Amino acid sequence: DAGVIQSPRHEVTEMGQEVTLRCKPISGHDYLFWYRQTMMRGLELLIYFNNNVPIDDSGMPEDRFSAKMPNASFSTLKIQPSEPRDSAVYFCASSLGTGFGYTFGSGTRLTVV
Amino acid sequence: TQLLEQSPQFLSIQEGENLTVYCNSSSVFSSLQWYRQEPGEGPVLLVTVVTGGEVKKLKRLTFQFGDARKDSSLHITAAQPGDTGLYLCAGANTGNQFYFGTGTSLTVIP
Repeated sequence: DAGVIQSPRHEVTEMGQEVTLRCKPISGHDYLFWYRQTMMRGLELLIYFNNNVPIDDSGMPEDRFSAKMPNASFSTLKIQPSEPRDSAVYFCASSLGTGFGYTFGSGTRLTVV
Repeated sequence: TQLLEQSPQFLSIQEGENLTVYCNSSSVFSSLQWYRQEPGEGPVLLVTVVTGGEVKKLKRLTFQFGDARKDSSLHITAAQPGDTGLYLCAGANTGNQFYFGTGTSLTVIP
């Protein structure tokens, strides 16, 4: 298996623009997670899905952030409009289920100027 | 949010030295995991501990889960430059939601 695949690896955008981050989880993993990592706040859980259904989105910073999982092999995290404070590394992770470890993607480094 | 505090935040040691990293919380966890993250990559799972007092060994790494399942430690014997990275603990209380610690950045100098 190729692991969790995220794209793009790097994204530089101007403030106010829409940004879409993409994730392909490991086949057979029922859980998918979106995290954001910054030096100040560490790894923060934004939202997670179970069997394509959003379970907890309490970590989503505000309405500018949205996430979808239209099928078991694809998820997106969208920021519209983007702001400089959204600059961070965004990780997608997937898991087999309760108690199993997470497999992380390589992340998307987002810079909003 | 379940707060997990790790100490020390930064650690720089010489190759061959031993070290211990701590992960503490006021919450009880059903299981706890340790991850290592290298620059430019996502965290990689090292171990999962589920029983209070449990000790697991992975080559030169020894992981212990506290008796009360509120804390954990990671001990590295004879550290090597390849051990350099960010070490993260993550605890789960219910379901499959893990909360990550603040991280310990380890540098092993050859």
